[in-house]
Amino acid sequence: EVLLLESGGGLVKPGGSLRLSCAASGFTFSTYTMNWVRQAPGKGLEWVSSISSTYIYYADSVKGRFTISRDNAKDSLYLQMNSLRAEDTAVYYCAREAYSSGWYWFDPWGQGTLVTVSS
Amino acid sequence: SSELTQDPAVSVALGQTVRITCHGDSLRSYYVSWYQQKPGQAPVVVIYGNNNRPSGIPDRFSGSSSGKTASLTITGAQAEDEADYYCKSRDSNENRVFGGGTKLTVL
Repeated sequence: EVLLLESGGGLVKPGGSLRLSCAASGFTFSTYTMNWVRQAPGKGLEWVSSISSTYIYYADSVKGRFTISRDNAKDSLYLQMNSLRAEDTAVYYCAREAYSSGWYWFDPWGQGTLVTVSS
Repeated sequence: SSELTQDPAVSVALGQTVRITCHGDSLRSYYVSWYQQKPGQAPVVVIYGNNNRPSGIPDRFSGSSSGKTASLTITGAQAEDEADYYCKSRDSNENRVFGGGTKLTVL
């Protein structure tokens, strides 16, 4: 079974830092692009960042503050979040980017980890 | 523009057909996928590659795309289909983009 399990969320003060982790199992982690997606309370989904073996992309809202990384030996994805703001408060999901025949989609998703930025 | 626009809310009578739409310039060039999210749960893909249904997704879910508009159609909506639905695609910078979401109510 393909599983993703996020951890590392919590309460942090504005300007602080937090590191999220996503442990993957059930598939060959190194061959997939991995993603972070967030959802602020009561709001929609917002793509945050993607990492493959050759590229990294960030949403403008987090560029320069967040760093995505991966450790293929540990089947793990990370998101280092610095200079956190109240508007970064959200549930953060990791998601695998499945692919076939030139199509790409997110599947599966982890259960999410809540990040709250508040003084 | 890299934005994807969805109607915030749609309702459908039980057993009837409903179409949820997604508009954006990027849809001319990139495939769309659709996600269902129920309260307190992670999103689940229901359509990928414009009109492909993953295994385990009921065949009442279908998708289409033409020009700047993609659609998710539920034929014979069931009570368990009540959820938020999001479209997703890419922009010219290879950024992934989500629509704002549509809240589907089954009456």
